[in-house]
Amino acid sequence: EADIYQTPRYLVIGTGKKITLECSQTMGHDKMYWYQQDPGMELHLIHYSYGVNSTEKGDLSSESTVSRIRTEHFPLTLESARPSHTSQYLCASSGNRSTDTQYFGPGTRLTVL
Amino acid sequence: KNQVEQSPQSLIILEGKNCTLQCNYTVSPFSNLRWYKQDTGRGPVSLTIMTFSENTKSNGRYTATLDADTKQSSLHITASQLSDSASYICVVSDRGSTLGRLYFGRGTQLTVWP
Repeated sequence: EADIYQTPRYLVIGTGKKITLECSQTMGHDKMYWYQQDPGMELHLIHYSYGVNSTEKGDLSSESTVSRIRTEHFPLTLESARPSHTSQYLCASSGNRSTDTQYFGPGTRLTVL
Repeated sequence: KNQVEQSPQSLIILEGKNCTLQCNYTVSPFSNLRWYKQDTGRGPVSLTIMTFSENTKSNGRYTATLDADTKQSSLHITASQLSDSASYICVVSDRGSTLGRLYFGRGTQLTVWP
């Protein structure tokens, strides 16, 4: 069982609200990732981090932002949520080798009304 | 363009039966290939990982194969159980970047009926 946690698991909010999705891991991994996944579709990388104070945008353009102030914590923020942001958001972490497994959290299912 | 294609898109089998899922990829330069299992509403969990030099890897009732020449992989599930119902995702990593970029397939949705 991977030691990576996400909260909340489900979130329903109105348009225009600011939200933060929390992700934390206790494995001491330097690399962390955020993915977006719609039903029946592949995961798309939206943000990643190599370590503290490192953040990069992924393949899929996203209006969200991330921060990495502590190794174990990688929150994702949406300043003004819109219905188009409705999706499943998955956080992951891994060691530094390219063959290291990415461990995924349980995900946050976000619905913006 | 780096891509990962999986087939079939969905599959229904009876409990106790075997099945094989397919993955074709065009990712280059190739680093490794993983199979993940994703239960509904959960994050993916790694089943196997294979590098270029490996052509088979087992994890209990799951056996993955890799043909790096034809860029094909398969996941064979033996004696299926109801708990095997999930989406099985093929993920290929390239070695062209320090990130070890992952390319995800859309998954095969497996349903095991009693």
